[in-house]
Amino acid sequence: KQEVTQIPAALSVPEGENLVLNCSFTDSAIYNLQWFRQDPGKGLTSLLLIQSSQREQTSGRLNASLDKSSGRSTLYIAASQPGDSATYLCADYGQNFVFGPGTRLSVLP
Amino acid sequence: DTEVTQTPKHLVMGMTNKKSLKCEQHMGHRAMYWYKQKAKKPPELMFVYSYEKLSINESVPSRFSPECPNSSLLNLHLHALQPEDSALYLCASSQRSGFYNEQFFGPGTRLTVL
Repeated sequence: KQEVTQIPAALSVPEGENLVLNCSFTDSAIYNLQWFRQDPGKGLTSLLLIQSSQREQTSGRLNASLDKSSGRSTLYIAASQPGDSATYLCADYGQNFVFGPGTRLSVLP
Repeated sequence: DTEVTQTPKHLVMGMTNKKSLKCEQHMGHRAMYWYKQKAKKPPELMFVYSYEKLSINESVPSRFSPECPNSSLLNLHLHALQPEDSALYLCASSQRSGFYNEQFFGPGTRLTVL
């Protein structure tokens, strides 16, 4: 069964820093890898979806990559802002519907 | 309309009550999902409906009863819940179920069982 982990569990950075969030999965037969952000007590906002035939997706200051052979996806956030503070989750779905535990990001002004 | 709506936002119920959660989308999506999320944990899949038919039931107790009356609407009927069922219940939809389909989530219903 697919297991998804995320490192680090929590991260605190000063405003303006570039940062990388990591997502690892045990089953490389992954079809969709989706990154979400979740604000406290709220629903999930889709950030980026990477299909298995793709290696990366970009949206604004966000870039996500997928390396199926190593079982990893990374989310790169450029020039972080306090408004980026949230929990970031990755999820594998297609055959599986499994979320990682999330990374809680705090961007300090 | 590119959003998923959920009602109510908050619900408090006793263990003997019967209540329902409602989810609606008007994006023409044919797959809809219910997830349960406990505090500081990731969402866990409960049910998947594809073309108004239940396609996945992740061994959810029968006190949770899903219903998909039409392609835009998904309900979750609750009966005889336990305090440990208190959680954020999230609804999502996608164009189709499975491969290459981005999921869109609603804001959730915060459920408290007394």
